[in-house]
Amino acid sequence: GQNIDQPTEMTATEGAIVQINCTYQTSGFNGLFWYQQHAGEAPTFLSYNVLDGLEEKGRFSSFLSRSKGYSYLLLKELQMKDSASYLCAVRDDDYKLSFGAGTTVTVRA
Amino acid sequence: GAVVSQHPSWVICKSGTSVKIECRSLDFQATTMFWYRQFPKQSLMLMATSNEGSKATYEQGVEKDKFLINHASLTLSTLTVTSAHPEDSSFYICSARGLVETSGPTDTQYFGPGTRLTVL
Repeated sequence: GQNIDQPTEMTATEGAIVQINCTYQTSGFNGLFWYQQHAGEAPTFLSYNVLDGLEEKGRFSSFLSRSKGYSYLLLKELQMKDSASYLCAVRDDDYKLSFGAGTTVTVRA
Repeated sequence: GAVVSQHPSWVICKSGTSVKIECRSLDFQATTMFWYRQFPKQSLMLMATSNEGSKATYEQGVEKDKFLINHASLTLSTLTVTSAHPEDSSFYICSARGLVETSGPTDTQYFGPGTRLTVL
């Protein structure tokens, strides 16, 4: 089975940095994805890790440690528009995605 | 590239009726399409995997006779909710897997905008 854990909610102020952790225990691993989802909308792709290490993409970075079953998404220079749900998803060997419950990030002025 | 559309974006129907949702990959051919359901404040749950020209593979607990999936071409999959009931009210999202030259991984899932179904 797939077990993916991430915090339910996080709050930060505009301009700050927030780190969203994700731990996983899955049968099969073929990459870890982070998606952003605004209320009532479909998820949009943010980042992808398949090898250990840090992937940087503008204000967003994602880290993976396969041996620890751990990833984090780092959001820098937070903006109000970053208020959304952030979903951690693990892809298995059949290319199916299993999602965590999502972390709701609220950015305050 | 990698645009996936869904139609309709929202639908309200009476209990007992059937509703069809279309999912199209607009600028690439999708080897596989996936259907998800998302209840309020919950994450996406995979319902079924659909390959062009073959029967869909349903996840455990999903009734295949209630959620009919047809994958007629490499760019179109449809989900029909038959005899819908209020408990079927949800946000249905499709995704398409394809080889697309983008800034992200080339073989990944691209999500449609979702369909909000409300059954009265």
